[in-house]
Amino acid sequence: SAVISQKPSRDICQRGTSLTIQCQVDSQVTMMFWYRQQPGQSLTLIATANQGSEATYESGFVIDKFPISRPNLTFSTLTVSNMSPEDSSIYLCSGTARLNTEAFFGQGTRLTVV
Amino acid sequence: AQRVTQPEKLLSVFKGAPVELKCNYSYSGSPELFWYVQYSRQRLQLLLRHISRESIKGFTADLNKGETSFHLKKPFAQEEDSAMYYCALYTGGFKTIFGAGTRLFVKA
Repeated sequence: SAVISQKPSRDICQRGTSLTIQCQVDSQVTMMFWYRQQPGQSLTLIATANQGSEATYESGFVIDKFPISRPNLTFSTLTVSNMSPEDSSIYLCSGTARLNTEAFFGQGTRLTVV
Repeated sequence: AQRVTQPEKLLSVFKGAPVELKCNYSYSGSPELFWYVQYSRQRLQLLLRHISRESIKGFTADLNKGETSFHLKKPFAQEEDSAMYYCALYTGGFKTIFGAGTRLFVKA
């Protein structure tokens, strides 16, 4: 199975600041995604991280709020910008391997905005 | 619209009792469905997928296209089955959408 490492595992941040979450995957992973899991709710796809180009965002998510980078095949970052308490969630990095529809996940980043 | 519905947020059963976690989906194409599980302090991971038609840890799930369902079943629940279970639908482009999840609690 693919290996996905994500950090930090948790953080408490002041409103108005930004947090960058890092995700490292192994070479089996070809597609990378970022999900949000709000308290008591399901996983919602934020965007697909594209290598060397702008991420593809889902409806309701914008680049200004959630800038994403993927400078190479095995690394991506998600920044949560200008945070408010409503951004308190678990953020998950996910990946799929070539020709495989199974999703692999990082351990998640639990973000609390105060 | 593409949607996965898990009607139960919490399901509590006694050890040894049968368990069924419900999942219904809405998808215009030919669905590819999964069950993912998250044990306490562990990451989300695949439990089983319908195309494999296999039993994992005693769990099975059958795709019923007529009822658009993919319920997860186990005849005899064990305490170690206590976890969060997510039904998921692959929607193409390597994207997956998830249900809201059902927390299974197996009581001793």
